[in-house]
Order: sequence, then structure tokens, then C-alpha cells
Amino acid sequence: ELKVEQNPLFLSMQEGKNYTIYCNYSTTSDRLYWYRQDPGKSLESLFVLLSNGAVKQEGRLMASLDTKARLSTLHITAAVHDLSATYFCAVDKNYNNNDMRFGAGTRLTVKP
Amino acid sequence: DGGITQSPKYLFRKEGQNVTLSCEQNLNHDAMYWYRQDPGQGLRLIYYSQIVNDFQKGDIAEGYSVSREKKESFPLTVTSAQKNPTAFYLCASSPLGTRAVSTDTQYFGPGTRLTVL
Repeated sequence: ELKVEQNPLFLSMQEGKNYTIYCNYSTTSDRLYWYRQDPGKSLESLFVLLSNGAVKQEGRLMASLDTKARLSTLHITAAVHDLSATYFCAVDKNYNNNDMRFGAGTRLTVKP
Repeated sequence: DGGITQSPKYLFRKEGQNVTLSCEQNLNHDAMYWYRQDPGQGLRLIYYSQIVNDFQKGDIAEGYSVSREKKESFPLTVTSAQKNPTAFYLCASSPLGTRAVSTDTQYFGPGTRLTVL
């Protein structure tokens, strides 16, 4: 059974600091997704990582995928308050985007 | 504008009632999904459908039913058999792309918050 674990589950940061969120998964997969969710809102797609070594960057967020280690990271650079949200990773269970498993989410709070 | 709509935004259910949550998409996506999200937790898959008139159970299908009579619509019924239905329900859709090249992801609707009275 595919399991997806994120850590930390809660993260409080000062503005301007850097930090990394980790996403580990238990079975072979080379497609991983990152989403953002604001309180009470839906999920917004951030990144789709398709292969080993994939790296994508958007603003202060950078995501990477190591399929051999079954690990993805979401790195936050010089955090700002607007990045406060819950971040989810999800792994494609059946290689066709039809059956994803989500991590529990990392609730990020960026303090001034 | 293309997107996914869910209605209602808030729904209250009495004990023993069946309620139906609506999900519509105009993205011409083949696949549609229903997820349940409990406070402080990730998403769990209830049902998904890849094609009209066909659907598969996810991890927590008990107490729920779906239909897919039209490509753009995938309603979810929460039956009285679901003993703890209070949650945030999210509908999503995606194309069925070629795996090797597709960067497609699942696109989510705004959600329905269901509360049992």
C-alpha cells in the first residue's frame, strides 16, 4: 500500500528565513505533485514533478524529486507572510493521474 | 471561463438523510474524483471515474454513492449509512494524458462543507 509522509506537519517561520518541507513515499513512483491550500479554500496546483532529478521553481518555492530515495522536497527561500498556507504533496499511485495518495499536509505560518 | 464548480458551498444534513453534492466541470476532462478532507488532515479518495457510466471505489467509498451520466457531471450522494459525514468535500477533474509527457494534474473545485446536525 502506498503511504505518503510529510514532515514537518507544522512549521512556523520568520520572514526572510529559508526552510525545507519533506515528502517521503513508500512505493515506486516517478510522478509527484505539490499543492497549496489556504484556510477554508480549495487546492491549487504548484508543481508537477515527472522524473528523477526533476527540479521546478516558482518564485520563492522550489520543488525537487529523487525517485531513488522516494523523496521530494519543497524549499522555501526568504519566506514572506503570503506563503502562509498548508502544503500537500501527492504521489501518483497508478501512473496515470487517476489514483493519487496525499500526504497529511504541512501547515506553514510565516511570522513578520 | 473553464473550471470546476461545486454546490452548495455549505450543506447541513439531519440524521438519516441522504444528501447530494453537485460537481460540474467544463474543462472537457475525462476523469473526475471525489475526496473527503477532515480537519488537519490530507485528502482521502472516495470515488473516481475515468469515463461516462463507469466509476471505481477509492479508499473510503462506504456510505457514499456516485453516478457519471454525463462527462461534465459527477454528483456524490452521502447516504445515511455514512455515520460520520461531517467534512469538507472536494471534487477534482483531470485529463487522461499520456503518462510520459503529460504534466497534467488534478484541478480542484471550491469544495462543499457538509455538517451533520
